[in-house]
Amino acid sequence: DQQVKQNSPSLSVQEGRISILNCDYTNSMFDYFLWYKKYPAEGPTFLISISSIKDKNEDGRFTVFLNKSAKHLSLHIVPSQPGDSAVYFCAAISGGTSYGKLTFGQGTILTVHP
Amino acid sequence: DVKVTQSSRYLVKRTGEKVFLECVQDMDHENMFWYRQDPGLGLRLIYFSYDVKMKEKGDIPEGYSVSREKKERFSLILESASTNQTSMYLCASSGQINQPQHFGDGTRLSIL
Repeated sequence: DQQVKQNSPSLSVQEGRISILNCDYTNSMFDYFLWYKKYPAEGPTFLISISSIKDKNEDGRFTVFLNKSAKHLSLHIVPSQPGDSAVYFCAAISGGTSYGKLTFGQGTILTVHP
Repeated sequence: DVKVTQSSRYLVKRTGEKVFLECVQDMDHENMFWYRQDPGLGLRLIYFSYDVKMKEKGDIPEGYSVSREKKERFSLILESASTNQTSMYLCASSGQINQPQHFGDGTRLSIL
């Protein structure tokens, strides 16, 4: 049972345009959400997070939006750069979990073309 | 800067062998995690540990065990390796709740 879903396996975007990566979840106990980026042959690196008490969080070119009623979050990258080409994973933490146990989506491969 | 180090980048073992994957972190983090990454499935949690000698099963613990004798080191053990355990294995650590997990670069394990 996939509690965190990224339904788009891949996304292709032109340099300078906006990239929008989507994530849906089913567990209403999730109260903290994170995005990770992963390059080939490297471990995932943390990108940005959002608490369920917020609906938006920005960090430079990266913005995460959370729609709790729809159980949906999205990552916007503006403007997209070729170096952003990577696999992006969304992840969620359940409230009441003391150890920060993450549940991950399947990942979306982003390709930014020059 | 947080450093999570996995002992091997690539490993090839035979079916039935006992396999040890080692992970060390240098940030005095309480929590440590083992995941496997497979195409189309994302990262799935195998085991995690929230303190020395403490361990909890993740979502897919079957065929695996773990050991945490020291705070900085978390070992994943494949008791009797099988071909369906061929995968990318990732170790991570974190401090307080809602702090992001920091990952090692992974071990690509092939079981022949």
